[in-house]
Amino acid sequence: QKEVEQDPGPLSVPEGAIVSLNCTYSNSAFQYFMWYRQYSRKGPELLMYTYSSGNKEDGRFTAQVDKSSKYISLFIRDSQPSDSATYLCAMRGTYKYIFGTGTRLKVLA
Amino acid sequence: EPEVTQTPSHQVTQMGQEVILRCVPISNHLYFYWYRQILGQKVEFLVSFYNNEISEKSEIFDDQFSVERPDGSNFTLKIRSTKLEDSAMYFCASSESGSTEAFFGQGTRLTVV
Repeated sequence: QKEVEQDPGPLSVPEGAIVSLNCTYSNSAFQYFMWYRQYSRKGPELLMYTYSSGNKEDGRFTAQVDKSSKYISLFIRDSQPSDSATYLCAMRGTYKYIFGTGTRLKVLA
Repeated sequence: EPEVTQTPSHQVTQMGQEVILRCVPISNHLYFYWYRQILGQKVEFLVSFYNNEISEKSEIFDDQFSVERPDGSNFTLKIRSTKLEDSAMYFCASSESGSTEAFFGQGTRLTVV
């Protein structure tokens, strides 16, 4: 079983839609969870950082962590064409960050 | 806003040559990382570095790779004898502590010909 699993997509949605991106993980010791956005041939850009279970909101973005289900989500409200990118979930391991494969999102104008 | 900077942005090298990729982490950060991303694939961990020594390394990080913090600001990745399969984007990252988020640079695209 992979440590972090993420549906690679691609996911296409119309402008203004609510987008839901998800990851599952296997290691119950993970406590710190991140979402990054990556444009083609660019570095991952940190969007959200959460500790343990619960919700965190920042503008149009909401991150959710459910440690009991080992499941994390990122919601994007009122999606824009500029949100088109690959979204990476990541978890903090002992001395490293472990990434999912990334989900490609395309928001259609 | 503080950021991680990497140079060069693109490097082309011949197979068998040595390359050094350079990074300037965020100034108050203590933990440093190198990651690799082959085109179209996932971001893969190479090595983490804290207190002037390697904390963890992956199977990819074999004897041809080394890291160094030569002074108070730079963090380098050296690949001794490059192979075609080393062609990838290499990302440097840093974090303030072992329990905070990591910030990534824009990457160095390494092309081995």
